[in-house]
This record gives sequence, structure tokens and C-alpha cells, in this order.
Amino acid sequence: GDSVTQMEGPVTLSEEAFLTINCTYTATGYPSLFWYVQYPGEGLQLLLKATKADDKGSNKGFEATYRKETTSFHLEKGSVQVSDSAVYFCALSEKNQGGKLIFGQGTELSVKP
Amino acid sequence: GAVVSQHPSWVICKSGTSVKIECRSLDFQATTMFWYRQFPKQSLMLMATSNEGSKATYEQGVEKDKFLINHASLTLSTLTVTSAHPEDSSFYICSAAGQRQPQHFGDGTRLSIL
Repeated sequence: GDSVTQMEGPVTLSEEAFLTINCTYTATGYPSLFWYVQYPGEGLQLLLKATKADDKGSNKGFEATYRKETTSFHLEKGSVQVSDSAVYFCALSEKNQGGKLIFGQGTELSVKP
Repeated sequence: GAVVSQHPSWVICKSGTSVKIECRSLDFQATTMFWYRQFPKQSLMLMATSNEGSKATYEQGVEKDKFLINHASLTLSTLTVTSAHPEDSSFYICSAAGQRQPQHFGDGTRLSIL
């Protein structure tokens, strides 16, 4: 079945460092790909998405490019802030699955001043 | 933007009681609602998918008699944990999706069974 694999956390960075969180997927079809962010004690917020190969999703300085050839959707940010500290989830959704999301295990990011 | 309200945000109750969690879409019609369970420092596990006016579809391994889901209107779905026990303690999150609306998540309900 479909699955999503993320790099293990926690990831600890200093403020203004470059961030990469790896995400790879397996899917039978051509899924849409998402990054969600979860702040402590809260639900998930959509950070960015891409719906087809070579699409780049971006939001709040975060970017991810849908790479079909490597089945990847790595999240990047050029300069992280303390306020970016959260858990980040990569997810996919197949077009014929009624919107069902399959999540990776999540990667905790901690940014130190 | 679209908002999903989940209530209560935190509940503590004794073993054996039933607990109802509400999920409301505040400014759009949610044709589909999803219920997830999240253990500490783990990912979200989809429990069930509910479409307005029809029975919920449960994921493998989820007891439908234990976790009752009702989606009676286009703005409200409820999850009732029946005869809750300590192993049911978890963080439960709902999401709602509508026509041309991607999934929007509630803020979650932390359930603690003593």
C-alpha cells in the first residue's frame, strides 16, 4: 500500500540555519503531496502542497518540490527561526481515495536562538 | 480562511464512561470528515472516514462499536468513545473537507481516562 517515510527527528538547528527534512513516498498512482505543521497541543496546519510532478509548493519561506523520479518531496527553508519549532508531517493523498491522507511519522524541529 | 472547531479540547474521565467529541466546520459544508488518533510523538493514524448522511468507513483494526461516528449534517460530525478505558487515552484529531475545500484540521482533543 501507499506509504510516506520521513527522516527521524528531533532535528536541532540554530536560528538562521538551513533546514532540510527529507520525505520519500511510495504510491500506486499519482498522488498529491503535502507538508503539514503541528505546534504543541494543536491540530495540523497545511504548510504547502504540490499536485503533480515538478510542482513546487511554497509558503512562509518553506519550499518543497515534487520529484517523481526520486519519489521525494523534501522540505527546505533557507533560514529558520525559533518560531518554526514544531513537528512537520509529510503526507500524500491519492486522487481516487476520497481525500484520505497518509502521513509520515513526523519530524520534530527545534530551533535554538 | 476555513475553520474547523473541535470540542472539547481536553477531557478527563473515569474508566467505563463514554465520551463524545464534536467536530464542526464553521464556514463551509463538510461533505467528508476524518477522524485521526495520535499517540505521543507519533504520526496520525486514520480511524475512520465519514460522509454526510451515510455510515462511516472504518480503517482496519478500528472497532466500530467502540468508536461511534455520526455525521448527521454538513457541518457536524461526532466521535463517541464508548466505555472508555485507559488504553483509549490519546489525542484525537478531526478534519473536514468539502467541495473545492481541502482538509482542514481541528485543534484536537486530549482524552485522558483514569
